[in-house]
Amino acid sequence: EAGVVQSPRYKIIEKKQPVAFWCNPISGHNTLYWYLQNLGQGPELLIRYENEEAVDDSQLPKDRFSAERLKGVDSTLKIQPAELGDSAVYLCASSPLRPEPGQSYNEQFFGPGTRLTVL
Amino acid sequence: SQQGEEDPQALSIQEGENATMNCSYKTSINNLQWYRQNSGRGLVHLILIRSNEREKHSGRLRVTLDTSKKSSSLLITASRAADTASYFCATDPIRSYGKLTFGQGTILTVHP
Repeated sequence: EAGVVQSPRYKIIEKKQPVAFWCNPISGHNTLYWYLQNLGQGPELLIRYENEEAVDDSQLPKDRFSAERLKGVDSTLKIQPAELGDSAVYLCASSPLRPEPGQSYNEQFFGPGTRLTVL
Repeated sequence: SQQGEEDPQALSIQEGENATMNCSYKTSINNLQWYRQNSGRGLVHLILIRSNEREKHSGRLRVTLDTSKKSSSLLITASRAADTASYFCATDPIRSYGKLTFGQGTILTVHP
């Protein structure tokens, strides 16, 4: 079974330029997550999708970040314009069908991430 | 914000020794999960322990959970050089509506 696929793996851009990341979750996983991971830190959730609906985007800086998940499968995360502080690893994860009763989450399956460097 | 705090921040041991990492958290949880991240890679799920469980095993991994102290530990027995990675605890807080919160991780180095 293929894992979560992300592209590109690395991206170097100058500040104020736009950038987009793509994620293809594991087949059949209806929940998709975008995380930001700064160096030496754990991942922080940016947005979570249930199928094509963004059910939690409270941590997404909406002035410059946007995301979409058309048809409830692939997803893209965009930054426009990028700032120096956006340099980080952007991780995509997915999880399978609804968790068991009484639980919020099963395990999440992560992609390799996209390392963004903003110069 | 990150709910979990992990201790130690870095751990260096010899191959064959045991490694213990601790995680403390602040709010009541549904479950707690441990993930491993190799350098430059994504996170890999290791084990999930539910709030009504106290101990769980998976191969060389042993996880304990003390909800009264809001803490968990991950023990890796008979460590190998391939265990070198960062280890993160992630909590699923009650009423978080599915938001998983990660700690800042423990960097484990196992010397051959």
